[in-house]
Amino acid sequence: AQTVTQSQPEMSVQEAETVTLSCTYDTSESDYYLFWYKQPPSRQMILVIRQEAYKQQNATENRFSVNFQKAAKSFSLKISDSQLGDAAMYFCAYRSPYGNKLVFGAGTILRVKS
Amino acid sequence: DVKVTQSSRYLVKRTGEKVFLECVQDMDHENMFWYRQDPGLGLRLIYFSYDVKMKEKGDIPEGYSVSREKKERFSLILESASTNQTSMYLCASSLWTDQSFGNTIYFGEGSWLTVV
Repeated sequence: AQTVTQSQPEMSVQEAETVTLSCTYDTSESDYYLFWYKQPPSRQMILVIRQEAYKQQNATENRFSVNFQKAAKSFSLKISDSQLGDAAMYFCAYRSPYGNKLVFGAGTILRVKS
Repeated sequence: DVKVTQSSRYLVKRTGEKVFLECVQDMDHENMFWYRQDPGLGLRLIYFSYDVKMKEKGDIPEGYSVSREKKERFSLILESASTNQTSMYLCASSLWTDQSFGNTIYFGEGSWLTVV
């Protein structure tokens, strides 16, 4: 069974600075999908970015980018130019191509200081 | 925009009560999911459904059942609520899995259930 580990329960960043959230996972599959979700206080989960394991190029969405290290089974999220609206719980998630379910990490609370 | 709507944001129920949590999506998605979210544990899958009247157990199905009579609606049922089922419950939906592409899963806003 796949597992996802987020080793940072909480992180803080100054507004306009850069922060990196860590995620590692364990799988025996060679092809899969990885996601970062944001959960603000409203509780609705929002997809931030996704990465297909067969793609070597790291995914980027505006201020959000990932560092995908397949051999190390690492999938970190970098947030550049942090904004107050980035404050939320962030979840890393794994999905097998052969199934429908997501496996989530425990989450990292990101606090943004003004 | 995709909308996943959970009928109740906050509920308080007594131990032993039967509890229904309703979820509706408006994007004709085949897949629907129920997760529970607990601090330090992340989200854990309770049940999912890939078609009307079809369901599969997730990682923690004990004490729960589900119903999917219509494509847009997926209900989570707690047959006899217990205090250890106090949690945040999240519904989600997605298109049927395409093995060439990862399909995005959309979440509702969550339902806070307290069992006393």
